[in-house]
Order: sequence, then structure tokens, then C-alpha cells
Amino acid sequence: AQSVTQLDSQVPVFEEAPVELRCNYSSSVSVYLFWYVQYPNQGLQLLLKYLSGSTLVESINGFEAEFNKSQTSFHLRKPSVHISDTAEYFCAVSDGDRGSTLGRLYFGRGTQLTVWP
Amino acid sequence: NAGVTQTPKFRVLKTGQSMTLLCAQDMNHEYMYWYRQDPGMGLRLIHYSVGEGTTAKGEVPDGYNVSRLKKQNFLLGLESAAPSQTSVYFCASGLGGGLSNQPQHFGDGTRLSIL
Repeated sequence: AQSVTQLDSQVPVFEEAPVELRCNYSSSVSVYLFWYVQYPNQGLQLLLKYLSGSTLVESINGFEAEFNKSQTSFHLRKPSVHISDTAEYFCAVSDGDRGSTLGRLYFGRGTQLTVWP
Repeated sequence: NAGVTQTPKFRVLKTGQSMTLLCAQDMNHEYMYWYRQDPGMGLRLIHYSVGEGTTAKGEVPDGYNVSRLKKQNFLLGLESAAPSQTSVYFCASGLGGGLSNQPQHFGDGTRLSIL
């Protein structure tokens, strides 16, 4: 089974500042990686995913994440945040198509991003 | 397109009471999941199902039971509620299996308080 570590439980930043939310996972074998976002009183929504190919993936709202296999990391970044980005962000890892964990996601504990005006 | 629908959205129970949370999805997904979310703990998998009529235990299955009698529905039961089960419960569905690269789709959650 995978374990996922989100190194920061809370990240406060000012509007228009850059931000990085860190995520590390335990296994270096083939995995699928996801970032989900949760706005207050809502469920989780997919922000972006890495499956294969280019190690840099982007979302439609300006976030990007880079897969680093050697460091087993999938950090999320945005060059300039908005107040509307305030939410909790979860990193998740899938084992891929192996054995008894088919289709299972392993989540980090979440990072609360708070953007101040 | 409703996606994943959870009912109820809120519930308060007394210790020892029982209840069932309902999850319904309209995307024809094979896989369905129940998670609980607690502050600082992220999401932890309670039970999941890889198809109609099948269920499996996740990380924290104790005190819960599930059933998947119909492909579109996944029920989570608490037979004798305990204060430790106070949490926000999320249902999710997905293609799973050989398509583990596909994301899971989440409902809006059920906020459950056990007094």
C-alpha cells in the first residue's frame, strides 16, 4: 500500500503571491498521481492528474504539478493565487493496475490553503 | 447530470442508534467507495465495492457495514453508533480496475454527529 505525505497542514499566503503545496509518496513503482481540491462544505473535485508522459501537468485555473520520480514527489504550484483559491488540497496516489488494490486511492492528510487580501 | 448524490446531508444520532447512509451514482461506474474525513486525517477508506453484489474492507472498516445490491447504489450502515464515528462521510465512484488512471467522483458529503 502507498502512503502519501503532505508536508504542510496549513499554508497562508497573500493574494497574487506564488504558492507551492508539497506532496511525497512512498513507492517509486509505476503510479498515478492526483490533486483534488475541496471547497468549504463540498466534496472533492479533481484538480489535475499525472498518468504518464510529460512530467508537468496543468489545470485550467492556473495550477500545475510536476512529477519527480527520483524524489517521489508531486508538488502543486501556482505562480499567483487568488482569494478564490482558498480551499483544502489533497494529494492522492493510485497503485495502478495491480492486485488487490485495484482502483484504490491513497490520500494525504490535506493542506489548507488560505489566501489573504 | 447529478453525478454522485448522498443522503442525508446532515444527521445527529444518539449513541447506540443505527442508521444508513445512501449513495447513488448515475455514471454507470463499477467501483464505489465510502470514506470518512476527520480533521488532520485526510480521507480514510472505510469500505469499497468493485461491482454489484461485492464489497471489500478498506482501512477503517470496524463499526460499519455496506451493501451494493444495485450497481448505482452503495449503502453504508452504522449498526450501533459511537461518538468516535462523528465525522464527515464521503461517497465516491469511479471506473477503477484496469482504469485506475481515471479519477474518482465525489458526493458532497454527509455530516454525522453522534452524541
